[in-house]
Amino acid sequence: DAGITQSPRHKVTETGTPVTLRCHQTENHRYMYWYRQDPGHGLRLIHYSYGVKDTDKGEVSDGYSVSRSKTEDFLLTLESATSSQTSVYFCAIDSGGDTDTQYFGPGTRLTVL
Amino acid sequence: KNQVEQSPQSLIILEGKNCTLQCNYTVSPFSNLRWYKQDTGRGPVSLTIMTFSENTKSNGRYTATLDADTKQSSLHITASQLSDSASYICVVSAKAAGNKLTFGGGTRVLVKP
Repeated sequence: DAGITQSPRHKVTETGTPVTLRCHQTENHRYMYWYRQDPGHGLRLIHYSYGVKDTDKGEVSDGYSVSRSKTEDFLLTLESATSSQTSVYFCAIDSGGDTDTQYFGPGTRLTVL
Repeated sequence: KNQVEQSPQSLIILEGKNCTLQCNYTVSPFSNLRWYKQDTGRGPVSLTIMTFSENTKSNGRYTATLDADTKQSSLHITASQLSDSASYICVVSAKAAGNKLTFGGGTRVLVKP
C-alpha cells in the first residue's frame, strides 16, 4: 500500500458538531485530494491541494473546508456536520502528472446522527 | 457536464469464467482513462491507465481496451478468481488543473465457486 493513512477510520457524531478528518502521507507527493463515496454516486471530489497552503474546491465543497500546513498532512473539516454528510471519505495522493497513478487511503466512515 | 457511465451495475460469475465490464464517457478534453479495483471496505487501487493513443493495456488477468472515437472502454477479466470479487470503477481524466478525475458508479462483481 502507498504510504497513506487516514484518521479516524470510523466516527459517529451528532448534527451540528464540527468534525476534522486527517490524511497523512509519507510519499512526499505534491497533490492531495479528499473525496466522498455514497451509494448511487461515483467518488466525488470535495477539495484538493496542489501544495502547502494551496487548495481549491471540488464539485461538492459546500459545508467542507480544508487545510494543508505541511506536505504530509491534509485536513478536512466539516464545520457543522449534517446528516447529508454521512458518507465514506477517501483521501488520495499523486505527484500531479497526467498519467500518474492516484493512490487512495483506506477511508473514513462517518455517520452523522 | 463530464460523465462516466458503467454497465452492468452488478454481475455474478462462476470461478474460472471470463467477464467484460463496459464504460462510456463524455469527458472533454480527454486526457486518460483508468480502471480501479475496490475491495469492500478499502480504497480503490489502480489497475490500468490508458492515454488517447493506447487502445489496450493489460495487468495480469485484467485487460482494458479503449476506443477514443466512440468514447468507450471495457475491462475484461480472464479466468476469474474468488479474489476478483470487488467493485470495478472506470475513471476518466480531463486535461485540467489539479488532475481532476470523473468517476463512474462502478460495477460490482461477485465471483462464486
